Amino acid sequence: EDKVVQSPLSLVVHEGDTVTLNCSYEVTNFRSLLWYKQEKKAPTFLFMLTSSGIEKKSGRLSSILDKKELFSILNITATQTGDSAVYLCATFRGGADGLTFGKGTHLIIQP
Amino acid sequence: KAGVTQTPRYLIKTRGQQVTLSCSPISGHRSVSWYQQTPGQGLQFLFEYFSETQRNKGNFPGRFSGRQFSNSRSEMNVSTLELGDSALYLCASSLRTGLDGYTFGSGTRLTVV
Repeated sequence: EDKVVQSPLSLVVHEGDTVTLNCSYEVTNFRSLLWYKQEKKAPTFLFMLTSSGIEKKSGRLSSILDKKELFSILNITATQTGDSAVYLCATFRGGADGLTFGKGTHLIIQP
Repeated sequence: KAGVTQTPRYLIKTRGQQVTLSCSPISGHRSVSWYQQTPGQGLQFLFEYFSETQRNKGNFPGRFSGRQFSNSRSEMNVSTLELGDSALYLCASSLRTGLDGYTFGSGTRLTVV
């Protein structure tokens, strides 16, 4: 059975700090790993990673995938209160199997 | 362009009733998938439709069903509702069955009393 494990499950930091969120996976026929941010309802897409060792960046957020060690990290630098959310990691193995999600990391940024 | 639209936003039903939820994907997206989100289990895959055909189904009982219309809009139905069906039901659309990622709607919050 496919497994996606995120850590930590919750994290409280102060504005301006840098955070690293972790996602490890055991997935057969792995195709890609996706990161989403969920604030209230709709998870919003952040990154999709398919190749190992290539960093994806968007502003203060960046992510990298290690296909040998089967994990990914999501970094957020200079955090702001608006970064407070649940960050979800999911794997996709192609076909129509949908996404397999981790339980998420609940990130709280204190002013 | 318009995002993924789910209706209704909130729903309260009684045990034993049935419910139908609706999802309109992003224009041009032909793949629609459904997920159930609960505090205990997180997000779990229900099923995926592409060109009006169910391509796959997650580990849910037969009370959960769905369909997709020729315009790619999708509905999911839950019959004989149980208290444990209370959840946020999210719909996601994709251009090419996930190869380009999935865009989620805001969900329908179903409460079964």
